[in-house]
Amino acid sequence: NAGVTQTPKFQVLKTGQSMTLQCAQDMNHEYMSWYRQDPGMGLRLIHYSVGAGITDQGEVPNGYNVSRSTTEDFPLRLLSAAPSQTSVYFCASSPLWTGKEKLFFGSGTQLSVL
Amino acid sequence: KQEVTQIPAALSVPEGENLVLNCSFTDSAIYNLQWFRQDPGKGLTSLLLIQSSQREQTSGRLNASLDKSSGRSTLYIAASQPGDSATYLCAVGTGANNLFFGTGTRLTVIP
Repeated sequence: NAGVTQTPKFQVLKTGQSMTLQCAQDMNHEYMSWYRQDPGMGLRLIHYSVGAGITDQGEVPNGYNVSRSTTEDFPLRLLSAAPSQTSVYFCASSPLWTGKEKLFFGSGTQLSVL
Repeated sequence: KQEVTQIPAALSVPEGENLVLNCSFTDSAIYNLQWFRQDPGKGLTSLLLIQSSQREQTSGRLNASLDKSSGRSTLYIAASQPGDSATYLCAVGTGANNLFFGTGTRLTVIP
């Protein structure tokens, strides 16, 4: 039972480069989301999706793009990387968003932008 | 905007001690409150989820309580073990499909 799988685990980018962080879940969850974790701050929501074809912005969406073409996959795209995007990124999923379901997290991607 | 605070930031206790971690939030209009555990270099694992209509949840040696009116939650860990050493995060769920996280309490249980 893989759960939520994120790739890569580590990535170093130069300023201005673009890349995609991959997230896949095998639990048939409708809700998926991306968070970033920075030192001294709580995790912050970047984007989320409540089902295939539906995405919406979270608290800190600028500089990121998402799409949800299938229930399983929810990639996060950095359009033009900036040093301020150096962070640990977590993908998370849950069956629905009704207040009754726990959120399941991937193991994270540590991104450094030079 | 919902703000979540966790005190203390770090805590060291001897093995076997009972302990309480605290979480406070500013807006009582919540869907739920979750307590997570995070080990170094790892993702988060949900320990307990308390729905807005509930007062507490229990799982093994863990008990979490919720008082919406005062904007507080506590996580009680009984008979602590070295394997409990981790960072514990509190997160408040809102109707806007978002969880607001505290910065966590780093717990060390000394054998």
